Parts: sequence; structure tokens; C-alpha cells
Amino acid sequence: KQEVTQIPAALSVPEGENLVLNCSFTDSAIYNLQWFRQDPGKGLTSLLLIQSSQREQTSGRLNASLDKSSGRSTLYIAASQPGDSATYLCAVWGNYQLIWGAGTKLIIKP
Amino acid sequence: SQTIHQWPATLVQPVGSPLSLECTVEGTSNPNLYWYRQAAGRGLQLLFYSVGIGQISSEVPQNLSASRPQDRQFILSSKKLLLSDSGFYLCAWDRGQGTAEQYFGPGTRLTVT
Repeated sequence: KQEVTQIPAALSVPEGENLVLNCSFTDSAIYNLQWFRQDPGKGLTSLLLIQSSQREQTSGRLNASLDKSSGRSTLYIAASQPGDSATYLCAVWGNYQLIWGAGTKLIIKP
Repeated sequence: SQTIHQWPATLVQPVGSPLSLECTVEGTSNPNLYWYRQAAGRGLQLLFYSVGIGQISSEVPQNLSASRPQDRQFILSSKKLLLSDSGFYLCAWDRGQGTAEQYFGPGTRLTVT
């Protein structure tokens, strides 16, 4: 059974720092991995989708990597800003559904 | 472009009352549709998904039900709400290709009192 873990559960860093969020999964047989952002009380916004054949995807200051063999993905945020404060969730496509991590709550201090 | 709508945005209902949450998608056809619930401080739990009109798969036993009366409409219902039904309900869609990116609606905050 696929399990997705995100560590740490919460992270607080000063503005301007580069940071890495981690996501691990137990079964390497995935179709893809998706990173989402969720602001308090809001729905989820898709940030990056990495197909199983890819190793990374980039969008602006965000870079996501995927290492299926080790069951890991990282989301790198460059030059963090207070507006990046949110909860970040990763999810992997298994047989027919997304399996979710519990998220990392990120706080960027001005 | 595609958009997904959910309503209502918030709802406070007494225990034992019925529930109907609606989700509609615009700008695409034959999407896969999903209902998730997110409890406070926890991850997302898939409740139902649908690959077509009238086709509903349930992931967890509960007193909720789902229906898909039209291609781009997905409804979550209950005949009698329980306190444990409180949570944040999210509707999502994708193109159903197994590797598709999933898109979410704004969610409905349900509080059962």
C-alpha cells in the first residue's frame, strides 16, 4: 500500500532564504507526482507535475525533483517571500487515485 | 480555459439534517471528477470519484453519497449529517489519462452542529 510522508510538518524561515520541502513515498511504481499549494481555508493550487519518466520540473522560483528509485521528491523554493507562506502538499498517482501526504506548513518571516 | 466551481462556500448544518454540495466544471468534457474531505490538520481523504455520467466509485464507507447527473456536474449528498461529517470538502477534476494533472475547486467548509 502506497504511503506518502512529508517532513517536516512545519517550517519557518526568514524571507529571502532558499528552502527545500521533502516528500517520500513507499512504492516506486507511480505514474506521476504532483505538488500543490494550499492557502488557509482555500482550495488547492497545482504547482508542478512530474511524470514518472521525468527527473525534475521548474516553474519560476520553484523546482521539483523526482527520484523514483529512492522514493523521494523535493520542492525547492528559491529566494522565499512572505507570499510563499502556505501549506505545501505532495501527492503521487497510484493505481487509480492520488495518494496524499499530510503537508508541510511553511511560514516565511518578513 | 477550464474552471471548477463549488457551492456553497460555507455551510453550518445541524446533526441529522440533509446535505447537498455541488461541483461543476467548465471548459472541458468527460472529465474524471473527485470528492475529497480534508479534516483539520490532516491530509486529503478521497471519498468518491467518477469517470462518467452515473458512474460513481466510493472509497470509504460512510453516510455520504455522490451522484453525477450531467457530464460536468458532481453532487455530494447525505440524508442525515453526523458530527463527524464536519470538514473541508474539495471537488477536483482531471482528464483521466492516468498521468493527468488534477485541479481543485475552492472548497466548501461544512460545520455540523
